[in-house]
Amino acid sequence: GQQVMQIPQYQHVQEGEDFTTYCNSSTTLSNIQWYKQRPGGHPVFLIQLVKSGEVKKQKRLTFQFGEAKKNSSLHITATQTTDVGTYFCAQGAQKLVFGQGTRLTINP
Amino acid sequence: GAVVSQHPSRVICKSGTSVKIECRSLDFQATTMFWYRQFPKQSLMLMATSNEGSKATYEQGVEKDKFLINHASLTLSTLTVTSAHPEDSSFYICSARGAAYNEQFFGPGTRLTVL
Repeated sequence: GQQVMQIPQYQHVQEGEDFTTYCNSSTTLSNIQWYKQRPGGHPVFLIQLVKSGEVKKQKRLTFQFGEAKKNSSLHITATQTTDVGTYFCAQGAQKLVFGQGTRLTINP
Repeated sequence: GAVVSQHPSRVICKSGTSVKIECRSLDFQATTMFWYRQFPKQSLMLMATSNEGSKATYEQGVEKDKFLINHASLTLSTLTVTSAHPEDSSFYICSARGAAYNEQFFGPGTRLTVL
């Protein structure tokens, strides 16, 4: 399946700072999904992007799908300690292929 | 929202024994269920896809005789790790998708430790 590369692998921020994770693919993606996994927990679906150039917001989270549908980003504004976890992008219709994930830790 | 349960949540077993993990969709019919494995600090790796009433489709490198998957009903899939060895120790997560949903709903995972 199509691979998605996710960066950075780790990100440590001060509470209140912004955070961004990126996913890139060498081929055009039909869709991109984002998941959050809390430490010790399981992935929880956040959102799916389908359209070229699509931007969706969920409170402090902003999700973007690139114009060429080869990259996507998740941006968190003014992080809070509850944002701690690993954020994964994933692509696929039937089967999901996950990116490597970005582990976010926050200094309160 | 759709809920998926997994049982057991944690299991410790001796090397050579078999372990069965159950995945249930509680409030929807799961036409497709997926089994993933996640090693510490790594991403989720798809092991197999199962559709109700048919044989599971295994990903490359996953031994189908070692990881037996049964999807006997629209609400239940089981993964049996046969003759488990310490290298099989991992976090096993199932997910399910129903006809009415685009996304997959994940179970809480089963942490397997093989001594």
